[in-house]
Amino acid sequence: QKEVEQDPGPLSVPEGAIVSLNCTYSNSAFQYFMWYRQYSRKGPELLMYTYSSGNKEDGRFTAQVDKSSKYISLFIRDSQPSDSATYLCAMSLNTDKLIFGTGTRLQVFP
Amino acid sequence: GAVVSQHPSWVICKSGTSVKIECRSLDFQATTMFWYRQFPKQSLMLMATSNEGSKATYEQGVEKDKFLINHASLTLSTLTVTSAHPEDSSFYICSARRPGGSNTQYFGPGTRLTVL
Repeated sequence: QKEVEQDPGPLSVPEGAIVSLNCTYSNSAFQYFMWYRQYSRKGPELLMYTYSSGNKEDGRFTAQVDKSSKYISLFIRDSQPSDSATYLCAMSLNTDKLIFGTGTRLQVFP
Repeated sequence: GAVVSQHPSWVICKSGTSVKIECRSLDFQATTMFWYRQFPKQSLMLMATSNEGSKATYEQGVEKDKFLINHASLTLSTLTVTSAHPEDSSFYICSARRPGGSNTQYFGPGTRLTVL
């Protein structure tokens, strides 16, 4: 079993839809949870960062962490074609090492 | 967000040659940088952790004599792929950890290496 599981997609939605991206993990000791967006042939860009459980909102993006279920989510409201990218979840303990999911490829069509 | 640059953005080399990739943090000093490799449609795999002024820490299965890492200053880390072979062709991405208590890593744009 992988430490972090993420559905690779692709996920195809119409412009304006609400997108839900998810990851599950097996290590209950993870404390830091991140979502990165990666465009093709580019480096990942940090979108959201959460420590421990709870929700965090930034513009159209909302990150949720449910440590009891070992489940994290990223919601994108009013999705735009420019949101089309691969979304990577990542998590870590108190160390530097990030464990990434495989990434979910999102396509938002006009 | 923080800015991390990489150079070159892409490189093509012949088998057996060495290639050096630079990673720079442009707006903060990074005592710790990381090197990842990403194969097509796969996630990022950590290769090594680069600490300023000390030896890098390599992940299991990564040959330290093949992937030489130098972190000579607080804003620059280099990865040298020695005696490159076609199977080393990949997308290499660095990141820098911003000091201040969180575990946030900021990534460079990546370097695409093709070994002929």
